[in-house]
Amino acid sequence: DADVTQTPRNRITKTGKRIMLECSQTKGHDRMYWYRQDPGLGLRLIYYSFDVKDINKGEISDGYSVSRQAQAKFSLSLESAIPNQTALYFCATSDSTDRTPYNEQFFGPGTRLTVL
Amino acid sequence: AQTVTQSQPEMSVQEAETVTLSCTYDTSENNYYLFWYKQPPSRQMILVIRQEAYKQQNATENRFSVNFQKAAKSFSLKISDSQLGDTAMYFCAFMKHRAVMSDSGAGSYQLTFGKGTKLSVIP
Repeated sequence: DADVTQTPRNRITKTGKRIMLECSQTKGHDRMYWYRQDPGLGLRLIYYSFDVKDINKGEISDGYSVSRQAQAKFSLSLESAIPNQTALYFCATSDSTDRTPYNEQFFGPGTRLTVL
Repeated sequence: AQTVTQSQPEMSVQEAETVTLSCTYDTSENNYYLFWYKQPPSRQMILVIRQEAYKQQNATENRFSVNFQKAAKSFSLKISDSQLGDTAMYFCAFMKHRAVMSDSGAGSYQLTFGKGTKLSVIP
């Protein structure tokens, strides 16, 4: 099931480089999220967007920026990558019309980013 | 702010046996949701089971069940008849109830995760 896709799946870059991670979804969901996973720390929210014109900072937004180019696309940028941004990055989506009160989030396969 | 604690960094269980993963959380909210996610070596995050805090009955999904103790703020996951495919990282997560979220959406639907428990099923 490739409803939420992330590109690239793996990326190695150098300190100071600009990096963009992309997320696309075919689920028709309006809400999208970017999480970061570090070993031993679980997942933490970086940014979230409830529609194309609505972008919100999450718990750890410093050093990151996002762009919601369309309802189906949500990109995460590292303007000047640093080694402590080495992590696994997940995109997730959810549907505001979801009748369930917990608004289930569906995760992409993740992008492993290494900053040397 | 909510916090989620998983006190067992690693666990192992023999195939076909039962194992329980612990999770405690801290919140001042009365209505919320709790989740267990599985992350196998493929890295995919898979929802295993969810529990609504206003429901007293413990959630069950096939071999997976929870022991939800609201007063103790405890939410453990029991895996029965463990299978090799259960080998994975397991994350406990918390989400506020929609009704208590602000109109601005600040913090809305944010999942707060624990640090995870690495489960190994031994043949």
